[in-house]
Amino acid sequence: EVQLVESGGGLVQPGGSLRLSCAASGFTFSSYWMHWVRQAPGKGLVWVSRINSDGSSTSYADSVKGRFTISRDNAKNTLYLQMNSLRAEDTAVYYCARDVDAFDIWGQGTMVTVSS
Amino acid sequence: SSELTQDPAVSVALGQTVRITCQGDSLRSYYASWYQQKPGQAPVLVIYGKNNRPSGIPDRFSGSSSGNTASLTITGAQAEDEADYYCNSRDSSGNPNWVFGGGTKLTVL
Repeated sequence: EVQLVESGGGLVQPGGSLRLSCAASGFTFSSYWMHWVRQAPGKGLVWVSRINSDGSSTSYADSVKGRFTISRDNAKNTLYLQMNSLRAEDTAVYYCARDVDAFDIWGQGTMVTVSS
Repeated sequence: SSELTQDPAVSVALGQTVRITCQGDSLRSYYASWYQQKPGQAPVLVIYGKNNRPSGIPDRFSGSSSGNTASLTITGAQAEDEADYYCNSRDSSGNPNWVFGGGTKLTVL
């Protein structure tokens, strides 16, 4: 079964850090570009970041540029999002998604809450 | 960066046809994809490319595009189609980012 499973969310204080993971299974992870998308409570989907298949190219939404870092370990079939200098407005469910020129597979999401 | 604009809410009578639209400059260069999201669930891809449905998506869902506007049409809406619908596409030409529309809440009456 093709599957993405996120983990690593939780409660963190403003200014803190968190690393999210997305474990892939059921497909050749190293062949696909991958994305992170977030959704604040009661709000819409917002694209956060993407990485190409070998990890050599990344891009970010302006709202997270310089604070978040996307990476991947193709040997471990895992995508990561390192989040630093977290702000209250980063509170959201974070989803990873597979890119086939559309986002065809999504994980179930992991909740990140930034609050003191 | 580009923006994609969707109507916040649309309603349709059970069994009737509804069109949900998405407008943005990036749609002149790139196809929109469409996602269905039900409360508490992850989004599900329903339409991608010119008018392609992933396996398992009913054929009452279809997509089209003209100029800067993409449309998702549900022909014969069912109660289970009540959900939020989002479009997305690549950002403007040369920009490696992606963008989502604000979403449309579909109510089936």
